[in-house]
Amino acid sequence: AQKITQTQPGMFVQEKEAVTLDCTYDTSDPSYGLFWYKQPSSGEMIFLIYQGSYDQQNATEGRYSLNFQKARKSANLVISASQLGDSAMYFCAMREVIGSSNTGKLIFGQGTTLQVKP
Amino acid sequence: SQTIHQWPATLVQPVGSPLSLECTVEGTSNPNLYWYRQAAGRGLQLLFYSVGIGQISSEVPQNLSASRPQDRQFILSSKKLLLSDSGFYLCAWSAPGGISGNTIYFGEGSWLTVV
Repeated sequence: AQKITQTQPGMFVQEKEAVTLDCTYDTSDPSYGLFWYKQPSSGEMIFLIYQGSYDQQNATEGRYSLNFQKARKSANLVISASQLGDSAMYFCAMREVIGSSNTGKLIFGQGTTLQVKP
Repeated sequence: SQTIHQWPATLVQPVGSPLSLECTVEGTSNPNLYWYRQAAGRGLQLLFYSVGIGQISSEVPQNLSASRPQDRQFILSSKKLLLSDSGFYLCAWSAPGGISGNTIYFGEGSWLTVV
């Protein structure tokens, strides 16, 4: 069965420093996508970054980068130069393609709460 | 650009009352549509998804139902709410087709409290 594991319930980081949020996954399907979402206290799920299983390079989006280690089945999110507004819950998620059908089902981890200290 | 809206944002309903949450997407055609639920402090669980008008798939058996009367409209309903239906409900969309890289975009969410 597919599974996403986030082992850090909570993290603290000093403003302007970098932080890594861990994510490991388990799947037997060779084709899959990995996503990170940010959920502030308002509740909205904000898409941050995507990594495809066949992508050769790690994904980057502004201050966000994804450290994709396929052999280890890990997809850690790195946030550089943390800002106070980065305080939120962060979810790692995986999406699979099954044959020609893609239900769009995202399997979510339990999330990591990040607090940025001034 | 594409936008997604859902309402109401907050809802307090008594046990046994009906429910209707509505979601609309603009700026795209034939999107895949989804309803997710999030229990407090936890990840999201997929409830329903739809790849076209009138095509609804249910992921988990429950007290809820979904309908897609129009291409870009997705409705979550219940005839009689239970206390366990309380939670945060999120509507989402993605581009059509079976591509793992199609990002799923979420609406603002609806907080439902059943009392």
